[in-house]
Amino acid sequence: AQKVTQAQTEISVVEKEDVTLDCVYETRDTTYYLFWYKQPPSGELVFLIRRNSFDEQNEISGRYSWNFQKSTSSFNFTITASQVVDSAVYFCALDNAGGTSYGKLTFGQGTILTVHP
Amino acid sequence: NAGVTQTPKFRVLKTGQSMTLLCAQDMNHEYMYWYRQDPGMGLRLIHYSVGEGTTAKGEVPDGYNVSRLKKQNFLLGLESAAPSQTSVYFCASKVRTSDEQYFGPGTRLTVT
Repeated sequence: AQKVTQAQTEISVVEKEDVTLDCVYETRDTTYYLFWYKQPPSGELVFLIRRNSFDEQNEISGRYSWNFQKSTSSFNFTITASQVVDSAVYFCALDNAGGTSYGKLTFGQGTILTVHP
Repeated sequence: NAGVTQTPKFRVLKTGQSMTLLCAQDMNHEYMYWYRQDPGMGLRLIHYSVGEGTTAKGEVPDGYNVSRLKKQNFLLGLESAAPSQTSVYFCASKVRTSDEQYFGPGTRLTVT
């Protein structure tokens, strides 16, 4: 069985602070995909990034960066110089990508990020 | 191109009533999914479909039924609603050859 754990239920920061959201996953598969989604107060789910299990390169996109470490089964997300618009619920998710996976996602519990001005 | 749409956006039911949630996508996606979102639990998969006429159970299927009579539509039914089914329901779809799921805006259901 696969599992995604986001141990941080809520994080509160002041604007311009850096913040890291943790994600730890469990899977028996060697091929899998990891995702981060953002859910702003409006409620929709916004895709942020996908990483496959064979690519451990870190990725940076503007103020966002992701650190994937297979050795610790973690896929952490850092926002640099946070802004009020970053306030949202962030979800980490796992797709085991096997032949019978059919893209089914296992989500973490979500981390509520509040950025204060 | 509307993407993934869900009908209705909000609904209040009484215990024991039935209803159907409609998900429609205009992207010709093969795969479609229904998730529910509850506080502190993230999103959990209810049912999914890998093609027209096929459906399968996800993590939390009890109390729900689904149908995929047309490729673009995926219906989620509650035959006898219970307060435990109060939740926000999300539909998603994707092409068979891609990893990214496209999500609908959600349906907020309250069962009293």
